[in-house]
Amino acid sequence: QQQVKQSPQSLIVQKGGISIINCAYENTAFDYFPWYQQFPGKGPALLIAIRPDVSEKKEGRFTISFNKSAKQFSLHIMDSQPGDSATYFCAAGANSWGKLQFGAGTQVVVTP
Amino acid sequence: DGGITQSPKYLFRKEGQNVTLSCEQNLNHDAMYWYRQDPGQGLRLIYYSQIVNDFQKGDIAEGYSVSREKKESFPLTVTSAQKNPTAFYLCASSVDSALNYGYTFGSGTRLTVV
Repeated sequence: QQQVKQSPQSLIVQKGGISIINCAYENTAFDYFPWYQQFPGKGPALLIAIRPDVSEKKEGRFTISFNKSAKQFSLHIMDSQPGDSATYFCAAGANSWGKLQFGAGTQVVVTP
Repeated sequence: DGGITQSPKYLFRKEGQNVTLSCEQNLNHDAMYWYRQDPGQGLRLIYYSQIVNDFQKGDIAEGYSVSREKKESFPLTVTSAQKNPTAFYLCASSVDSALNYGYTFGSGTRLTVV
């Protein structure tokens, strides 16, 4: 069973708009929550990551919001650009595990 | 430049054949991983290794085998026992098993059964 559930499966946003992708997890031992960006035919690349001791982390136009009590975290892409069109994966892991569980992915299309 | 090299980029396998996918890293990372990517299913862990000469099964290890004889190399063999091997295979590495810096991924190998 999937330990990290991601939604939506796909979304279309206009240039300049906000893209929001949500993830939920079950295992309370998870203490590392990264987001990866993948372009077609390429491997995923680390975008931004958060630890559960903070509720929000921002890097440029990308922000992670983290709600520990709800066991949910989300990625916000502000001022979306056509170059942001890609598949985004959330993931979760624990230092004691040394491995990541990934969500199913969200395909984002930014229209001009 | 440091990174992870996966080869070949494309691979075609006949029914009943074993094939080996190569993964080499020059990042001096301790841990290495193999994931399988299928449309709509995200990335699923096949095998991982946190130290040389040791590896563990992931969530979908059946029909696959690995070795970790050198720190830099973590080849994956897709055996004939894997009934549905057509997929995009991704190799990754991390500094250590503590996930402090996340994974670095290779560019993947697309395997197709013909």
